Amino acid sequence: AQKITQTQPGMFVQEKEAVTLDCTYDTSDQSYGLFWYKQPSSGEMIFLIYQGSYDEQNATEGRYSLNFQKARKSANLVISASQLGDSAMYFCAMREGTSSGYALNFGKGTSLLVTP
Amino acid sequence: ETGVTQTPRHLVMGMTNKKSLKCEQHLGHNAMYWYKQSAKKPLELMFVYSLEERVENNSVPSRFSPECPNSSHLFLHLHTLQPEDSALYLCASSQDGASSVTSNTGELFFGEGSRLTVL
Repeated sequence: AQKITQTQPGMFVQEKEAVTLDCTYDTSDQSYGLFWYKQPSSGEMIFLIYQGSYDEQNATEGRYSLNFQKARKSANLVISASQLGDSAMYFCAMREGTSSGYALNFGKGTSLLVTP
Repeated sequence: ETGVTQTPRHLVMGMTNKKSLKCEQHLGHNAMYWYKQSAKKPLELMFVYSLEERVENNSVPSRFSPECPNSSHLFLHLHTLQPEDSALYLCASSQDGASSVTSNTGELFFGEGSRLTVL
């Protein structure tokens, strides 16, 4: 069964606007971690932001923030003041307590296009 | 320049060829991973090495053979592949054991990937 669901295959946003990328997850573990990665056309996966299941505050990293709603099992990424360079694939991922090493399970991703 | 380097960046091979993908990490991490990224599918975990021992083999066909000679290097040996094996193969590393699942110090650092085409 899919553990990470990203329902938006593609999104458009105008430069300088904010955009929310959706992510829901499925786990029975109490301890887990949620990650967002960005993948530009070059292929490299770039770590953006992290939220631990016990964190009471929503994570923020510069223009990125994570809207963590534990009861709904959602971890949406909010990008404020979008820039042209934000155009990329965005992946939500989860690490559970049973993960081998620190392996992550990824969603299918959302393609974001920022327009002038 | 990233802390995780993959070579070659692009590889085209026939189904009867033998080739290898190489990954090197310069971050002092002790865990390394191979992921497969196919179009319109989530990244698929293939192999995990922690402290140079394989801890995960995620039902990967035997035509893919990993090798981890030390904590800085990871190889993926390829033999008699199929066209459906064409994909982007991503290597990653992390510091295993340094923290719990709910700590952010264990994020994966990825290389730029090796784009494989099997003819």
